[in-house]
Formats: sequence, structure tokens, C-alpha cells
Amino acid sequence: DQQVKQNSPSLSVQEGRISILNCDYTNSMFDYFLWYKKYPAEGPTFLISISSIKDKNEDGRFTVFLNKSAKHLSLHIVPSQPGDSAVYFCAAPMDSNYQLIWGAGTKLIIKP
Amino acid sequence: GEEVAQTPKHLVRGEGQKAKLYCAPIKGHSYVFWYQQVLKNEFKFLISFQNENVFDETGMPKERFSAKCLPNSPCSLEIQATKLEDSAVYFCASSTHGRNQPQHFGDGTRLSIL
Repeated sequence: DQQVKQNSPSLSVQEGRISILNCDYTNSMFDYFLWYKKYPAEGPTFLISISSIKDKNEDGRFTVFLNKSAKHLSLHIVPSQPGDSAVYFCAAPMDSNYQLIWGAGTKLIIKP
Repeated sequence: GEEVAQTPKHLVRGEGQKAKLYCAPIKGHSYVFWYQQVLKNEFKFLISFQNENVFDETGMPKERFSAKCLPNSPCSLEIQATKLEDSAVYFCASSTHGRNQPQHFGDGTRLSIL
């Protein structure tokens, strides 16, 4: 049972436009969510997180939105830059042991 | 240090040999996590530590895998009698506290079993 889902394997966006990456979850016990960015041959890099007591968190060009009733979150990147091309993972920690449960990732390609 | 440091970057072993991977967490972080990435985008939890104590080991194949985090030493993950299926990238992560804090990852060790 996939508790965190990213249904878009890839997304292509023009440089300068907004990138929107989506994530859905099924476990209503999740109360904290993270987005990571990963380049090939490197480890995941933490981007931004959100607690379930909020519905929005912003850090520079990155904003994460949380819709608890829909069990849905999204990451907005604006404006998109060539260096944003990477695989983006949504993740949530288990309450029992803090292990991260990962989505399958979305490969973002920023076109010049 | 300010980054999670994993060594070596690549490790090649013949089937049946031992493999040992190391991880230096970020200074001041109390929790350490190990994940195994076999398929490109799937991360499998192995084990976690709170300081030098095992916090959760439900993901560990106990027969051949062991791990330690001793004071003043890098954490280690050891695989005895390696099998072809152990070929993967092993990531270590650390966090200040376990709950609702970002885990910061090293660049991984790519283990190839021939």
C-alpha cells in the first residue's frame, strides 16, 4: 500500500514559468511533510517542509501548500530555473519510528 | 561537520565477501537513519539510531546486516556474506530530533556485488 503518491513521473516547464509538483497521501496520521530534490549520483537535498497545523509554507522561490481534507500537497517553484531540473520527492515521517515514507518522485525538466 | 559524510563513495565486493560502509552525521544531530535505494526512486528504511542506541531496526535483514553508532566514531553499516541482491546505493541521514525535523542526507555509498 503506497501511503505517499506522486502520480506524475515527469514534468516539463519553460524557464521562468511556475513549476507545480503534486503529492497525495493516504495515512491520516501523517502530520509533517517534506520535499526533497535529488540530482543523479547525489543524496536527496532537503528543500522545504510543512506541518499539518499550517496550510502554506514559503521559502524564497519555493512554496508548499497542504490541503488536509484532500490529503494533498503541492510544491510551487517560481520562477523556474535551469538548476531546478532534478527529481523531486515528497516524503512524510512515520509517527512510530520517524522513518520517511517516500513518494516515487517526479522528474522536473526546465526547458530554456 | 555541516554535512553528512559517507565513505566510501563506491565499494565493489565479490559475492560472499564482507562490506562495511561509514557515515559521519552532522555534529549535534541526535538521530541517524540508514536507507537502501535499490530501484532508482525507491528508498527502503533499514535502521535508525538515537545517539548510540538503536531506535528502530525493523527494516534490517538481521542475518547478515548489522550497524553501530559509537561515541566519537563514524556510524557504520556492515553486511556479512554479501549477495548480488545487496547491490544498491546506501544513504545515511541525520536529524536534530527524530520527530518532525528534516533528515539531512549524505551522497550515499554505491555498493556493487559481483
